[in-house]
Amino acid sequence: EAQVTQNPRYLITVTGKKLTVTCSQNMNHEYMSWYRQDPGLGLRQIYYSMNVEVTDKGDVPEGYKVSRKEKRNFPLILESPSPNQTSLYFCASSLSPPGLSSYEQYFGPGTRLTVT
Amino acid sequence: GENVGLHLPTLSVQEGDNSIINCAYSNSASDYFIWYKQESGKGPQFIIDIRSNMDKRQGQRVTVLLNKTVKHLSLQIAATQPGDSAVYFCAESWRGAAGNKLTFGGGTRVLVKP
Repeated sequence: EAQVTQNPRYLITVTGKKLTVTCSQNMNHEYMSWYRQDPGLGLRQIYYSMNVEVTDKGDVPEGYKVSRKEKRNFPLILESPSPNQTSLYFCASSLSPPGLSSYEQYFGPGTRLTVT
Repeated sequence: GENVGLHLPTLSVQEGDNSIINCAYSNSASDYFIWYKQESGKGPQFIIDIRSNMDKRQGQRVTVLLNKTVKHLSLQIAATQPGDSAVYFCAESWRGAAGNKLTFGGGTRVLVKP
């Protein structure tokens, strides 16, 4: 089954404790993104990756890191989480970037992160 | 998602009626638009897209209309069903200096009454 998986689905942590949210897709997609979703603000892009070893900042990258060592995986790293990073996080993948042909973006199920 | 519905405009629709969800986009340079559906506890799901060289596109029970003059996008759902209850987002894409960008609207909650 074609899908995007994220782990963990729920995480409660404390300020400053480094964490990683994993994301994996089995569709051989080149383009992957991380978003956060907050009430009243909608979905905002954190980072994206055009392909292996190619990553770039989205609209709200501060406090986050990503890596793309393999095509299927795109982990999101919070080196020193803070309470303002409490949010619902989604990983997404697509064959190509938005606006180009064959663009259909598949989203993971989400990770609910709470930083106290 | 769980509480992403806070502060969202809500459209209540009788089962079987048609739904129209509206979206005003911001960037006149946007050339590609997408509608997503998000059910409670799940990630957004692609519904339909449209390019700026078109003003209408139809899918299965859904139609997207684009009015570039007033920067307005709408999603029409025919014969709305209980399974259509969800939050619907529009997104616009344009070619930025660093590549193609995608920005999401705030969303509209659709409640289907039996």
